[in-house]
Amino acid sequence: KAGVTQTPRYLIKTRGQQVTLSCSPISGHRSVSWYQQTPGQGLQFLFEYFSETQRNKGNFPGRFSGRQFSNSRSEMNVSTLELGDSALYLCASSLGLAGAYEQYFGPGTRLTVT
Amino acid sequence: DAKTTQPNSMESNEEEPVHLPCNHSTISGTDYIHWYRQLPSQGPEYVIHGLTSNVNNRMASLAIAEDRKSSTLILHRATLRDAAVYYCILRDSWGKFQFGAGTQVVVTP
Repeated sequence: KAGVTQTPRYLIKTRGQQVTLSCSPISGHRSVSWYQQTPGQGLQFLFEYFSETQRNKGNFPGRFSGRQFSNSRSEMNVSTLELGDSALYLCASSLGLAGAYEQYFGPGTRLTVT
Repeated sequence: DAKTTQPNSMESNEEEPVHLPCNHSTISGTDYIHWYRQLPSQGPEYVIHGLTSNVNNRMASLAIAEDRKSSTLILHRATLRDAAVYYCILRDSWGKFQFGAGTQVVVTP
């Protein structure tokens, strides 16, 4: 079974631009979560989607948004990029929302904002 | 949101057991206890999870205190490949994951 895949793996953008990251979950998984990881803040939860609906959201500004498609694939978008958005963005998938399900993480997308 | 407390780092010798503690005194009845680890330059990897009873899998064992206010991840025989940051996380019914700083495990040959 293929794991979680994320594209692109690396990205360099300029301040003020916007970016879209993509995540393909493990086949059969209906929940997709997104995280931001930085050296200073560690791993922070962005949001979680299940059946095309956002079910949970972390404490990030509205510039961070996402969506999930009917095939469970998900995208996250960051508009008006700031230098502080430079981070590793991780996607994770699981069978369901509840605590009984473990998450499987992708390799991440390394975003650098200059 | 319930939070967890873990030591910043732990050191172990290769082939010896490692006991990683986690305190979660504000845990609620529906919170599952999850453990993940992250090797350098990789995404986090699922290790184990449980609700009330102790759990075992091929990677590790999870011992949960009777009052559920603490738990211990046990790596039975540490190898150099087990050197990683280990995260203890509570996942409630609504599924929100809150990662803490984790414990850096150092394995010495």
